[in-house]
Amino acid sequence: EDKVVQSPLSLVVHEGDTVTLNCSYEVTNFRSLLWYKQEKKAPTFLFMLTSSGIEKKSGRLSSILDKKELFSILNITATQTGDSAIYLCAAYGSGNTGKLIFGQGTTLQVKP
Amino acid sequence: KAGVTQTPRYLIKTRGQQVTLSCSPISGHRSVSWYQQTPGQGLQFLFEYFSETQRNKGNFPGRFSGRQFSNSRSEMNVSTLELGDSALYLCASSWDRGDGYTFGSGTRLTVV
Repeated sequence: EDKVVQSPLSLVVHEGDTVTLNCSYEVTNFRSLLWYKQEKKAPTFLFMLTSSGIEKKSGRLSSILDKKELFSILNITATQTGDSAIYLCAAYGSGNTGKLIFGQGTTLQVKP
Repeated sequence: KAGVTQTPRYLIKTRGQQVTLSCSPISGHRSVSWYQQTPGQGLQFLFEYFSETQRNKGNFPGRFSGRQFSNSRSEMNVSTLELGDSALYLCASSWDRGDGYTFGSGTRLTVV
């Protein structure tokens, strides 16, 4: 059965710290790995990684995909209180049209 | 451009009633997926529609149904509501399968 596992489930850091969030996946006919940030309601798209794009960076956030070991990490450097949110990892398999398999999420709290 | 719009934002229903939720995708997006989010189960896939056809369905009972109209707007219906149906219902739209999915802000359904 397809599954995505995230770790840690929760994390508390102080402003300025660097955090690394982990996501491992087992998805049939894997096609892409997506990261989302959820603050109140709508998950906000961060990155999509595929075999043709295994490293992405946007400002203080970056992500890599290891297709051999079946995992991805999301790095946030110089954290700010505004980074406090739930970070969701999701995998997509081409045999499962329209369906993202989500991990449990990592709840990140950044303290001033 | 406008994002994914879900209505209503909040709903309170009584057990046994039925409910209809609406989702308007980003203009040009033809794929609409629906998810149920609860604290215990996380985000669970309900179904996906593309060009008015259901392409995929998750493991939910037949009380959960949906449809898509020619303008790509989608509705989902839950009949004979149960307390356990209380959740945040999210829809996501995409140009086609496997592309980055953009989520709406969701409908918070409370069944009493």
